[in-house]
Amino acid sequence: NAGVTQTPKFQVLKTGQSMTLQCAQDMNHEYMSWYRQDPGMGLRLIHYSVGAGITDQGEVPNGYNVSRSTTEDFPLRLLSAAPSQTSVYFCASSTTWYDEQFFGPGTRLTVL
Amino acid sequence: GENVEQHPSTLSVQEGDSAVIKCTYSDSASNYFPWYKQELGKRPQLIIDIRSNVGEKKDQRIAVTLNKTAKHFSLHITETQPEDSAVYFCAATYSGGYQKVTFGTGTKLQVIP
Repeated sequence: NAGVTQTPKFQVLKTGQSMTLQCAQDMNHEYMSWYRQDPGMGLRLIHYSVGAGITDQGEVPNGYNVSRSTTEDFPLRLLSAAPSQTSVYFCASSTTWYDEQFFGPGTRLTVL
Repeated sequence: GENVEQHPSTLSVQEGDSAVIKCTYSDSASNYFPWYKQELGKRPQLIIDIRSNVGEKKDQRIAVTLNKTAKHFSLHITETQPEDSAVYFCAATYSGGYQKVTFGTGTKLQVIP
């Protein structure tokens, strides 16, 4: 099992550019989520999904979109990148939101 | 929604000493409390979790205690070792709703050899 995979590992964008962060899991988990990690602020939830076709907003959803067309994949789209979106992004998956979450290796994003 | 506060933000201990990290939560409905360890440059990984039907759980040198009345839970690491140096995150959620996990802001633990 590969577990949770994320691509790319690193990305540099210019303000206003758009891009998609990819996340996939092979554990047949229904629950998937995206977090951003900033110094001193812990892990903040961006969007989450309880199953294919179902997504909802987390704590900091502005500027991000998600979709869940399959159980395995949960991409995160940055619509128009801003310097405030410079962060490390983690995707996670679990059986439910009240079980152990398995995190991907993260994507370090810099917006200039 | 849920709010989780974590203290201290940094903690230095001598190797062999114990370390304690505390978290408080705001919503009395919360009933699942995991702890994650994140080594430098790595992803967070679960080290221990507790559900609200128990007050304490141990796994070798690591233990978690839960006080539902006071709405706080703590991570205890005994006989600390240099490899325990990492950032630790607590979290809380409610199985009957929310569908979201709320994390604390993290504690950077340094174990001094």
